[in-house]
Amino acid sequence: DAGVTQSPTHLIKTRGQQVTLRCSPKSGHDTVSWYQQALGQGPQFIFQYYEEEERQRGNFPDRFSGHQFPNYSSELNVNALLLGDSALYLCASILDGSSYNEQFFGPGTRLTVL
Amino acid sequence: DQQVKQNSPSLSVQEGRISILNCDYTNSMFDYFLWYKKYPAEGPTFLISISSIKDKNEDGRFTVFLNKSAKHLSLHIVPSQPGDSAVYFCAAPIGGSNFGNEKLTFGTGTRLTIIP
Repeated sequence: DAGVTQSPTHLIKTRGQQVTLRCSPKSGHDTVSWYQQALGQGPQFIFQYYEEEERQRGNFPDRFSGHQFPNYSSELNVNALLLGDSALYLCASILDGSSYNEQFFGPGTRLTVL
Repeated sequence: DQQVKQNSPSLSVQEGRISILNCDYTNSMFDYFLWYKKYPAEGPTFLISISSIKDKNEDGRFTVFLNKSAKHLSLHIVPSQPGDSAVYFCAAPIGGSNFGNEKLTFGTGTRLTIIP
């Protein structure tokens, strides 16, 4: 059983471009959360998707948007990239209502904006 | 606004000794705390948690202590092993519950190095 997978592993973009990151949750999980981890910082919550809807959102601008598909996989889209968007983007999946020891993180996508 | 703080960016400990990682928080409404461990090129993995109704929780070599009056928690690893070398994050659910659908706020992490 594959855990949480993310693609691509690494990505290099230039300022102003748009990027899409993908996350496949662990089998049996229906909730996906996205986090941004800048260098030297802890992960910061971007948003969470459940039943194909954004259920919660952190303090991120509207340039950050997402989507969840019927198979529970999710995408994170970032428009008009800024240098400060360079970070490791993590997704985490869980079955709704479970406790945190049953939430799993993917390995992340390293985004570099030049 | 950093609600969970880890003031030690790094810590080196001899193999076999005790490792103590510290975390402070500012929000007295937090009811639940978690520790995560992160290896390079991997996502954080859940390590241990503690509810605010307890002051200690133990799981094998790992023990978390909570001092609510001081708004402080610590993770003890005894004995420390080379495989424990990783970055450790403390975190708290913003909504205060144990349910994984709450958004988490993380500290900045402490890099633990175990010296053989």
